Amino acid sequence: EAQVTQNPRYLITVTGKKLTVTCSQNMNHEYMSWYRQDPGLGLRQIYYSMNVEVTDKGDVPEGYKVSRKEKRNFPLILESPSPNQTSLYFCASSLWTSTDTQYFGPGTRLTVL
Amino acid sequence: AQTVTQSQPEMSVQEAETVTLSCTYDTSESDYYLFWYKQPPSRQMILVIRQEAYKQQNATENRFSVNFQKAAKSFSLKISDSQLGDAAMYFCAYRGPEGGSEKLVFGKGTKLTVNP
Repeated sequence: EAQVTQNPRYLITVTGKKLTVTCSQNMNHEYMSWYRQDPGLGLRQIYYSMNVEVTDKGDVPEGYKVSRKEKRNFPLILESPSPNQTSLYFCASSLWTSTDTQYFGPGTRLTVL
Repeated sequence: AQTVTQSQPEMSVQEAETVTLSCTYDTSESDYYLFWYKQPPSRQMILVIRQEAYKQQNATENRFSVNFQKAAKSFSLKISDSQLGDAAMYFCAYRGPEGGSEKLVFGKGTKLTVNP
């Protein structure tokens, strides 16, 4: 089944404890992206990657890192999480670029205490 | 920076009726892409419809259609014959021209309730 998977689906952590949210797609997509969703703010793009060689910032990259060592994986890293990073996170992928249909993962609910 | 505005935080419609969700955007580009995504209570985001700015014809997907007014920078979504399964958050999104930034900019969303 073609899909985007994220792990974990739910995570409660404490301020400053490094964490990684994994994202994997099995559709051989080039473009991958991370978003955060907050009530009243909609979706905001954190980072995106055109391919394993190109990664760029979205609108809210502060406090996040990403890595694209393999085409299928695009982990989101929070080196020192803070409470303002409590949010619902979505990973998405598309065939070539952001003009193509975005296929979203199921979301990761992160709470930083 | 491009912005996308959805002025209706919440909307409601009776089953089988028609509802229109509004979206406006700000851009200086002449070519770009616009999208409507649906997020049902399951949280799974799904593409509803896609419009390329250089195409004059409004995009249509079954009961979903758009009214694309380029000069007014307006991109509204019309849902005809509303069904209970249409209840969801709807997000409008903008993407600039080919060869430009790969960013996707989303609006804040409109929560649609469908009443039986």
